[in-house]
Amino acid sequence: QVQLQESGPGLVKPSETLSLTCTVSGGSISSYYWSWIRQPPGKGLEWIGYIYYSGSTNYNPSLKSRVTISVDTSKNQFSLKLSSVTAADTAVYYCARDSGTIRGTAAPRGWFDPWGQGTLVTVSS
Amino acid sequence: SYELTQPLSVSVALGQTARITCGGNNIGSKNVHWYQQKPGQAPVLVIYRDSNRPSGIPERFSGSNSGNTATLTISRAQAGDEADYYCQVWDSSTYVFGTGTKVTVL
Repeated sequence: QVQLQESGPGLVKPSETLSLTCTVSGGSISSYYWSWIRQPPGKGLEWIGYIYYSGSTNYNPSLKSRVTISVDTSKNQFSLKLSSVTAADTAVYYCARDSGTIRGTAAPRGWFDPWGQGTLVTVSS
Repeated sequence: SYELTQPLSVSVALGQTARITCGGNNIGSKNVHWYQQKPGQAPVLVIYRDSNRPSGIPERFSGSNSGNTATLTISRAQAGDEADYYCQVWDSSTYVFGTGTKVTVL
């Protein structure tokens, strides 16, 4: 059973770069789409971006200028960098896997399963 | 960008039926997925591709999708169903979440 675990600093200063890593265990990172999703305290879910195991990415247009997602297949990990953070970036950050790809294509099925447990990142000086 | 609108809250009496809507332009042409999120926990998939239940999800959870509205139905509501629920679609190579609905079981 695939499990995801987020790791990284819980506190980041304003204007600095938030960096998180998601470690995948119980299965390979290959052949799947991997996403970062965040949830500000008391608010809803916001998709940040995805990376395919091959390295192709796509980001939420609202965050695109500040986001970089990368993958390390040798470590079964993928990572998030969000630059120039402000208090508005304070949130629980989740990593999640798309359930698979559509048969015969490389397109994602379009839903998330499983998710990591999430990690709270606070932006404050 | 595509938008999904959900009611802020839905209340249901114990043992009765709750219906949570998810509105979007021609959402019936898309696959809609639903997640349950309890306080302090990560979201859990309860319905995928409009009406399919993952293994381990009770039959009390069902879904439908037509026109401009998708609906998650919780039959015979239990205290343990009290949670936030989010709809989600894949649109233009992005994932889009609904605004979320808090379900209260009375």
